[in-house]
Amino acid sequence: EPEVTQTPSHQVTQMGQEVILRCVPISNHLYFYWYRQILGQKVEFLVSFYNNEISEKSEIFDDQFSVERPDGSNFTLKIRSTKLEDSAMYFCASRNFKGSTGELFFGEGSRLTVL
Amino acid sequence: DAKTTQPNSMESNEEEPVHLPCNHSTISGTDYIHWYRQLPSQGPEYVIHGLTSNVNNRMASLAIAEDRKSSTLILHRATLRDAAVYYCILQNTGTASKLTFGTGTRLQVTL
Repeated sequence: EPEVTQTPSHQVTQMGQEVILRCVPISNHLYFYWYRQILGQKVEFLVSFYNNEISEKSEIFDDQFSVERPDGSNFTLKIRSTKLEDSAMYFCASRNFKGSTGELFFGEGSRLTVL
Repeated sequence: DAKTTQPNSMESNEEEPVHLPCNHSTISGTDYIHWYRQLPSQGPEYVIHGLTSNVNNRMASLAIAEDRKSSTLILHRATLRDAAVYYCILQNTGTASKLTFGTGTRLQVTL
């Protein structure tokens, strides 16, 4: 069964460092997402991406965050200068339909720990 | 996004049916009702979705009230592997495609 894969599974970084989280969405999917979940809290939407541009972003997704689909297969989330409060599980997701009939497939997540 | 209300937690015995309720009194005519679940230390996983009619798939059934102001996710025979947080989410067909997660219902399954 096709799946969304994410790397790394866990990354530890120092505050102020840049981090790139990588995702390989399901191959025929067109819509891509990043969510995050701080320990013990809700799953929060960060950004959606379609046709090589951001289609929607949340208030969390400020100038420190960026997304890219550099080569038609990977979908990356970059945090330019990490803060302690960026520590969370980051989930990538993809779907092949924009509307409500499309199932959203999530990856297993990348745990980011900022020290 | 229209709001949903779910109990914080529920318990079930293994092999018994589980009915997980969700209230969505402000649902609009073009809102689909989605259910996802999140097993411990995993990403969310699609369970089922519907608009007006009841739906069945291999994982669960979705019963939607006639006025659509509430719905119930039915797990026919709960197993220990069904222990997870279950999220009821409304998504409008006409707006952006993101899902907005609430706090969900934490389902505990015991032997």
